[in-house]
Amino acid sequence: DAKTTQPNSMESNEEEPVHLPCNHSTISGTDYIHWYRQLPSQGPEYVIHGLTSNVNNRMASLAIAEDRKSSTLILHRATLRDAAVYYCILRDRQGGKLIFGQGTELSVKP
Amino acid sequence: GAGVSQSPSNKVTEKGKDVELRCDPISGHTALYWYRQRLGQGLEFLIYFQGNSAPDKSGLPSDRFSAERTGESVSTLTIQRTQQEDSAVYLCASSPRGQQFFGPGTRLTVL
Repeated sequence: DAKTTQPNSMESNEEEPVHLPCNHSTISGTDYIHWYRQLPSQGPEYVIHGLTSNVNNRMASLAIAEDRKSSTLILHRATLRDAAVYYCILRDRQGGKLIFGQGTELSVKP
Repeated sequence: GAGVSQSPSNKVTEKGKDVELRCDPISGHTALYWYRQRLGQGLEFLIYFQGNSAPDKSGLPSDRFSAERTGESVSTLTIQRTQQEDSAVYLCASSPRGQQFFGPGTRLTVL
């Protein structure tokens, strides 16, 4: 399974945008880029996923580099409830298991 | 609607005892996954069921670990002769296809 690299931690101020980077230089053509987050003492929850084009949903936006070797999860206005560990995961289009790395722990300051 | 449920929420056991952890997936979800999360770590994949296909057991750490799933319904993860290193939160997820929906997990403590 292709590997992703994320910063261990990031800080943000409340109501400011947050850009969470992810490098995946060994991504294959059939890998989708998935983002999940895990709030304290909870199971992970799906955030967003994409293949080549940028994606938007009610939670976040996903910007994918043209060469697909990196991507950025964008939270447009961070709230205190967005404090979590964010995982960037590559997953083959056929589905199956998720391979979690260490993720980025995001803290949000009021 | 109801999400993925897991029971018990907490389990404390003595080293060497067997434990069973239960997962009730979202109705209609054909895929079911088990993961383990040790304290301060990311999730480790354990096993994956998809419909009637043979399960993907590639993540099970030893033969003390096994899991069953009844059709497209409940799943049970069994750990035999528990060891202290088995202490972790065990998470179950189900999926129709695409995104996975996680349960709250079972916190297992082996004394």
